[in-house]
Amino acid sequence: DAGVTQSPTHLIKTRGQQVTLRCSPKSGHDTVSWYQQALGQGPQFIFQYYEEEERQRGNFPDRFSGHQFPNYSSELNVNALLLGDSALYLCASSSPAFRHPQYFGPGTRLTVL
Amino acid sequence: GQQLNQSPQSMFIQEGEDVSMNCTSSSIFNTWLWYKQDPGEGPVLLIALYKAGELTSNGRLTAQFGITRKDSFLNISASIPSDVGIYFCAGQAPHTGANSKLTFGKGITLSVRP
Repeated sequence: DAGVTQSPTHLIKTRGQQVTLRCSPKSGHDTVSWYQQALGQGPQFIFQYYEEEERQRGNFPDRFSGHQFPNYSSELNVNALLLGDSALYLCASSSPAFRHPQYFGPGTRLTVL
Repeated sequence: GQQLNQSPQSMFIQEGEDVSMNCTSSSIFNTWLWYKQDPGEGPVLLIALYKAGELTSNGRLTAQFGITRKDSFLNISASIPSDVGIYFCAGQAPHTGANSKLTFGKGITLSVRP
């Protein structure tokens, strides 16, 4: 049973560029949530996708956008990158069933120079 | 916004010792979860708690959902070197659906001396 997978593992970009991160959910899961984890901090919720729509959003600017595909995989896009966007970006998948926790992928380490 | 409080930031114990860590919130949560994260990897789910007062075990780990719904505790018994890592608590707020966002604490870094 494949877990949550993310690509790429690492990414280096320069300020002002755009980046796309990808996530495939765990088998049987249809909901994908994205989190940003700065060094030494706990993950911060960015947004969540279910049925190809953004269902919840955290306190992140519009530069952060996403998409969910019919196969439940998801993308996180960040435009106009800032140095402060450097972080570990985590994807978590879950099922909307009651008492079904979120399982995390290994993350994508984004460095903005 | 909401924040979960975990302290201290770091804990150092001897192999074989038990360790207890707690997590508190100013707000009520209807689900508490505990995750462990190794450097450069994603958080791994340890225990999920869904009911106030619930006590759940997973091997040497035991966690409890506080009766006030504003806190949770994780105990690790007979620690071993592979218990080293960062332990995060996370909560889900009520009335926002079974799949609502997770709010995390800042984590506790556990070191185990052989």
